[in-house]
Amino acid sequence: AQTVTQSQPEMSVQEAETVTLSCTYDTSENNYYLFWYKQPPSRQMILVIRQEAYKQQNATENRFSVNFQKAAKSFSLKISDSQLGDTAMYFCAFTLQGGSEKLVFGKGMKLTVNP
Amino acid sequence: EAGVVQSPRYKIIEKKQPVAFWCNPISGHNTLYWYLQNLGQGPELLIRYENEEAVDDSQLPKDRFSAERLKGVDSTLKIQPAELGDSAVYLCASSLMGGHEQFFGPGTRLTVL
Repeated sequence: AQTVTQSQPEMSVQEAETVTLSCTYDTSENNYYLFWYKQPPSRQMILVIRQEAYKQQNATENRFSVNFQKAAKSFSLKISDSQLGDTAMYFCAFTLQGGSEKLVFGKGMKLTVNP
Repeated sequence: EAGVVQSPRYKIIEKKQPVAFWCNPISGHNTLYWYLQNLGQGPELLIRYENEEAVDDSQLPKDRFSAERLKGVDSTLKIQPAELGDSAVYLCASSLMGGHEQFFGPGTRLTVL
C-alpha cells in the first residue's frame, strides 16, 4: 500500500518570501505520479503541480517548483514570491502510473501568507 | 468549459435520516471518483467509476452507503441512515479514462446532528 506523509501541520510566511513544504511517500512501485494540490477555504481542490516519477527533471509552474528525490522518496514544494492568495491547505498526493487510479493524499498542511 | 458540479454545497440533517449528494463530471470524462474528507485529513477514495461500472468500491461502507452512475455521466452518493461520524466533506472528481489528472468539484459539507 502507498502512504503519503506531510509532517508539518502548519506554516506561515511573509508576503514575497519563499517557503518550502515537505512531503515523503512510501511505495514499492517504480512508476507513479506525484501531485501538490491546493485547497482554499472554498474547498475546491486545485492542482498546483505534478511530477512524473520517470522524469529526473524537477517540475516547475511559474512560482511553484518541486524538489523530487526518488531514492529518498521525498517530494517538496517550493513557493517563491508568496502571495496572499497562496493561503490555503496544501496536500501532497500520489497515484500509480496505470491511469485513472485513486489519489492517495497526505494529511495536508495549512499555509498562511501574512501581509 | 464547465468544471465538476456538485450539489448541494451544504447539508444539515438529523442522525438516522437519509441524504444524497449529486455530481456532474466534466463533459467527456469517463472516470468519476467520490472521496471522503474528514476534518483535518486528506481525502480518501470511497468509490471509482469507469463509465457506469464501479471498478473500485473497496472503501465504501456498503451497509449504509450506496452510489450509482446509471448512464455513465452524473452520479449520486447516498447515505442511509446517516450517523454522527458521517459529518465530513464529500468530494467528487473526474478524469479522462487513463488520465492522471483529476479535477475536483467544490464538495458537499455534511453535518449530522
